[in-house]
Amino acid sequence: AQSVTQLDSQVPVFEEAPVELRCNYSSSVSVYLFWYVQYPNQGLQLLLKYLSGSTLVESINGFEAEFNKSQTSFHLRKPSVHISDTAEYFCAVSGGSYIPTFGRGTSLIVHP
Amino acid sequence: EAGVAQSPRYKIIEKRQSVAFWCNPISGHATLYWYQQILGQGPKLLIQFQNNGVVDDSQLPKDRFSAERLKGVDSTLKIQPAKLEDSAVYLCASSPGGQGKGEKLFFGSGTQLSVL
Repeated sequence: AQSVTQLDSQVPVFEEAPVELRCNYSSSVSVYLFWYVQYPNQGLQLLLKYLSGSTLVESINGFEAEFNKSQTSFHLRKPSVHISDTAEYFCAVSGGSYIPTFGRGTSLIVHP
Repeated sequence: EAGVAQSPRYKIIEKRQSVAFWCNPISGHATLYWYQQILGQGPKLLIQFQNNGVVDDSQLPKDRFSAERLKGVDSTLKIQPAKLEDSAVYLCASSPGGQGKGEKLFFGSGTQLSVL
């Protein structure tokens, strides 16, 4: 069985500040890890994913996540957030099952 | 490229009524998923189709939920009769298929169902 834990339901932060959204997973087999983002009134869209190779993966809009096998984590970070980053962020894992299992989501709220 | 289309956007019904949701995936995508997202929770898979065949429906409450994907293109998810706990956003997603566990899912905007 596989599962995902996103400990923070909401993360408020001021514009231009750094942010980290935490994600821990459990799986009995090797995993593929994803971050999806849902902007207001839009569908979920893939932000970045880890399949293999370098443990640090980056998105086109400045987010990055690092796969840490020993800590079973895949935290999402951005050094300086913008108002437009306000959204719901979902961590997901696929391992034993081909179908991604999603965490409950973290609401990132960026204040001016 | 057109995205995943879902309708209706919102639906309000009373308990014990029936409701249907429609999804049209991205053209050429073989795999189609229906997810249920209850407020405060992550999306939970209800059913996965590969072309017009069911791959996984282990979490679909089959006594009240049904889904079909005729001709391997668009799909309909039905609830009959609805219960209060069915209030949720119903998400449809599609993927090209055949790319294994790392495949990217493309989501529609969802249908928000309120059961009163």
